[in-house]
Amino acid sequence: NAGVMQNPRHLVRRRGQEARLRCSPMKGHSHVYWYRQLPEEGLKFMVYLQKENIIDESGMPKERFSAEFPKEGPSILRIQQVVRGDSAAYFCASSPPWDSGANVLTFGAGSRLTVL
Amino acid sequence: GENVGLHLPTLSVQEGDNSIINCAYSNSASDYFIWYKQESGKGPQFIIDIRSNMDKRQGQRVTVLLNKTVKHLSLQIAATQPGDSAVYFCAENMNNNAGNMLTFGGGTRLMVKP
Repeated sequence: NAGVMQNPRHLVRRRGQEARLRCSPMKGHSHVYWYRQLPEEGLKFMVYLQKENIIDESGMPKERFSAEFPKEGPSILRIQQVVRGDSAAYFCASSPPWDSGANVLTFGAGSRLTVL
Repeated sequence: GENVGLHLPTLSVQEGDNSIINCAYSNSASDYFIWYKQESGKGPQFIIDIRSNMDKRQGQRVTVLLNKTVKHLSLQIAATQPGDSAVYFCAENMNNNAGNMLTFGGGTRLMVKP
């Protein structure tokens, strides 16, 4: 079991460019969560997705940020027209269905975005 | 609360001593709590969890204590080792139909002195 796979591990973008971060959940997990972490801070929830559905996006900035989890392929967090304040580590986590009794989120190693 | 813009609080312990990391959670409706360990450059790693119908749970070298009256959670690490050096986060989950979203605390950095 390869765990939660995120790529790229490091991404450098200039202001105004687009960033795409990908996440493949653990085998058997159908729920994906994206969190953002600034240096020396905790993780802030962004969005929760199931296959082809956004369940909760209350932590997503209203503009420039979007997320999807298609029927086939990884979940993608997309940031358009990046600004320096978007520089952070973005972590993806996955879990089995919430009513399975297994609530633990398993995290990936993160994607570190640097905006020049 | 959130330590936005502040450095993480740090706990420095001698190798072999016991460590206690504390966390105050915010939502009295939360019924599930997890401690995560995050090493530099890595993602959070599950350590131990506890449900709100319990006040204590033990794992290997770790114990989590839950005091719902004062909304306080603690992680005790016995015989702390250099490999325990990391940032530790508590997280809470409110049981609802929206899944396993976790709200994380600000974190505590544990430094183990050899």
